[in-house]
This record gives sequence, structure tokens and C-alpha cells, in this order.
Amino acid sequence: DTEVTQTPKHLVMGMTNKKSLKCEQHMGHRAMYWYKQKAKKPPELMFVYSYEKLSINESVPSRFSPECPNSSLLNLHLHALQPEDSALYLCASSQVRGAYNEQFFGPGTRLTVL
Amino acid sequence: QKEVEQNSGPLSVPEGAIASLNCTYSDRGSQSFFWYRQYSGKSPELIMSIYSNGDKEDGRFTAQLNKASQYVSLLIRDSQPSDSATYLCAVNLATGGFKTIFGAGTRLFVKA
Repeated sequence: DTEVTQTPKHLVMGMTNKKSLKCEQHMGHRAMYWYKQKAKKPPELMFVYSYEKLSINESVPSRFSPECPNSSLLNLHLHALQPEDSALYLCASSQVRGAYNEQFFGPGTRLTVL
Repeated sequence: QKEVEQNSGPLSVPEGAIASLNCTYSDRGSQSFFWYRQYSGKSPELIMSIYSNGDKEDGRFTAQLNKASQYVSLLIRDSQPSDSATYLCAVNLATGGFKTIFGAGTRLFVKA
């Protein structure tokens, strides 16, 4: 069983809606990641939090807003999305070990923007 | 030049054969390398990590790393139909351990 959980599993939203994706990990990891994956493409890094501080923002549009309330939780707030934002959103976590960060993924949230 | 390159496949092997998956990367300073398996509609699952030149074996899987050639491979022995999936090669860039770049993946089909 995965120790990274994500809710909801599926989300359908309109372009004017505000919604949030949630991720929780129970492995004591201190780094958490958001990725976006389109069909038949590899995951693309969006954000990284290390020790609850934003470490990497890969020039993601401001309609995506990450939040890390504590070391176990990671949220992604969505507002005014576009249909091209429809994708599988993956959360991952890892220990903080310099260059050797093995990332473990949650099951993902499949987002559809109408 | 793409940072992590894989043959997209599909690679088709008979059951019981060895499947060989290859990956090259461009960042010469990269230090950690990973193989993920992703079934259709599911999230990536870490199956191997390798940090030093040479081979690393775990069950039916062997990862091979050659930093001089900037080449990583994954061998799957005694391939099973349940191994049919997309295999993603991932590399942590030298600039920082958090930035992982994934290859486009190789689709593997194991025929019963």
C-alpha cells in the first residue's frame, strides 16, 4: 500500500471554480513535491517543499498555488484553470539526503477542467 | 538535446526472456538515477535506484550505470506479463537533489 495519499481521486471543475488538491505522507519525509503528468508524457515537476519551505517553483502559472501546512501535508490550490490544465496531478515525498532523494508517489488526482 | 532520453518503444519480449531498457542523460554532474514503473492510469512506482558505476541487483531487476558514457540501463530477467508497463528513467540534476528529470518512458510488452 502506498504511504502517500491524495484526495480527491478525480476532480472535475469549471474554469471559474476554486478547488484544492490534498496530499499526505506518513513516512517522516521532509521533502514533498507536486508534479503534473499529461497523457503519454512523463511527470513534470511543478513545486518542491523542503522542511515546509518552498524550495523549487518551476515557473508555474499563479493559478496554481501550493501550500505546505506541516511536514506531512501538502496542498495545491487551483483557481481559474484552463482546459489545458487537465492532467494527472501527482504528489511525491522523499527524505532530504542531498543528491540521493528517492521519491515515492501517491496515486494521483485526475483533474478535468471544463 | 533532451536531458534524459529513452527509446519510446514499444519493446516486445516473450515471457521468460530478458528485457533490456536503456537511458542516456546529458547532465554530466548528475549523481542519482532511478527507474520507475508506471502501469496505465496509475502513478509511478520506484523499482530501482543507483548511484555508483556498475551493477545493482534486486530480485529480477538489475540496474547498470556508466557515468563516463552517461548511460543507465535496466534489465528485467524472466519477464512476466505483469511486467508490461511503461518504464521511466529519472535523473537528479547536479544542480540540486530535488530536481528530477524524467525520460519519456519506454513501453514494455511481455507476451505470454
